[in-house]
Amino acid sequence: GDSVTQMEGPVTLSEEAFLTINCTYTATGYPSLFWYVQYPGEGLQLLLKATKADDKGSNKGFEATYRKETTSFHLEKGSVQVSDSAVYFCALRSNAGGTSYGKLTFGQGTILTVHP
Amino acid sequence: DAGVTQSPTHLIKTRGQQVTLRCSPKSGHDTVSWYQQALGQGPQFIFQYYEEEERQRGNFPDRFSGHQFPNYSSELNVNALLLGDSALYLCASSLGLASYNEQFFGPGTRLTVL
Repeated sequence: GDSVTQMEGPVTLSEEAFLTINCTYTATGYPSLFWYVQYPGEGLQLLLKATKADDKGSNKGFEATYRKETTSFHLEKGSVQVSDSAVYFCALRSNAGGTSYGKLTFGQGTILTVHP
Repeated sequence: DAGVTQSPTHLIKTRGQQVTLRCSPKSGHDTVSWYQQALGQGPQFIFQYYEEEERQRGNFPDRFSGHQFPNYSSELNVNALLLGDSALYLCASSLGLASYNEQFFGPGTRLTVL
C-alpha cells in the first residue's frame, strides 16, 4: 500500500539557517504530493503541493520538488524564522483508483524548532 | 468565507460510551474526509464521504461510522469507546474526489477517553 517516510526528528535550528526535511514515498501510479504544516493547537494547513514529476511546489520561502526517480519530495527553506517552528507533514494522495484513491497518506511528522 | 468548522472543540468520555463529532465543510466543497491523529503521529485516514455515501475507508473497525447530510456536513460516530480512541479527530473538505484537489482541514476535535 501507499506509505510516506519522513526524516527522524525533531529538528532544531538557529534563525536564518538552511532547512531540509527529507520525505520519501511508496505509491502506485503517479500520486500528488503535499507538505502540510501544523502549528501548536491548530489543524493542518497546506504549505505546498506538486501534482506530477519534476513539478516544484513553493510557498512562503519553502520549496519541494517531485522526484519520481528517487520517489522523494524533500522540503527546503533557505533561511528559517522563529515563526516557522511547527510540525511538518509530508503526504501523498494516490490517483491510481481503487481503494487508495482520494485519501491522504501522511508521514509521521517532523517537529521543527527555530531559536533566535 | 468560513473554512472547515468542527464541533465540539474538546470532549471527554469514558470507556464504552458513544460519541458524535460534527463537521461543516468549506463553502462550495462537497467531499468530507475524517482522520484520526494520535499524539505525536501523523493523521490516519478513517473514511471519506461524497454524495452522501462512504466512498473509501481506512483500517478502522466498524465501531467507527459516519454520515453525510444533503448540505454536505458530516458526522463521525464512535461506539464502545476504548482508551486508544483518544486522539485529535480532523475533518477535511475538498471539491470532488480528484487527487490533485486540496483538502482543507478543520481545527479538529480533541477526544479524551478515560
